[in-house]
Amino acid sequence: GNSVTQMEGPVTLSEEAFLTINCTYTATGYPSLFWYVQYPGEGLQLLLKATKADDKGSNKGFEATYRKETTSFHLEKGSVQVSDSAVYFCALSDQAAGNKLTFGGGTRVLVKP
Amino acid sequence: NAGVTQTPKFQVLKTGQSMTLQCAQDMNHEYMSWYRQDPGMGLRLIHYSVGAGITDQGEVPNGYNVSRSTTEDFPLRLLSAAPSQTSVYFCASSSIQEIAEAFFGQGTRLTVV
Repeated sequence: GNSVTQMEGPVTLSEEAFLTINCTYTATGYPSLFWYVQYPGEGLQLLLKATKADDKGSNKGFEATYRKETTSFHLEKGSVQVSDSAVYFCALSDQAAGNKLTFGGGTRVLVKP
Repeated sequence: NAGVTQTPKFQVLKTGQSMTLQCAQDMNHEYMSWYRQDPGMGLRLIHYSVGAGITDQGEVPNGYNVSRSTTEDFPLRLLSAAPSQTSVYFCASSSIQEIAEAFFGQGTRLTVV
């Protein structure tokens, strides 16, 4: 079946530091890949997505590239802000599984001033 | 613009009690789903619906019932609450064309004692 593995947190950074959150996946088909973000006390929001190999998703200064050869979709941001403190979820959807979302365990990021 | 609205936000139940978590969306989305979020496990799909009158089981359906009598509403019923159902519950909706681009409610934090 499908699965998503992402690095465990928490990740604690200083403001303006570089952020990387690793994500790898296993899928039976050819999935689309997503990053969702959950700010404190809120539901999840779609942050970015990529639907085919070598696609780069980007939003709010975050980027992730769909790497089929390494089955990865790592999230990066060059200079984090305190407002980026949140839980980040990597996810996939696979047409072979009815396009339902499969989530990783989530990575909590804390950015200190 | 309400989006996805969940009620209540917090609930404490005694073992064996029943209750219904409410979910409503105003985006005319065909697809609605319920997830539970547990530490380190990401979000797991409980039940989903592709339209009024149609529901199906997700990954962890035991102990939960759903119905979909209208496009807008998708309530989740706990039949006889157990401590293992202590969790944060999220409802989500999306268009049938973009199931994985989901809009989430703010969640219900349920504690079963």
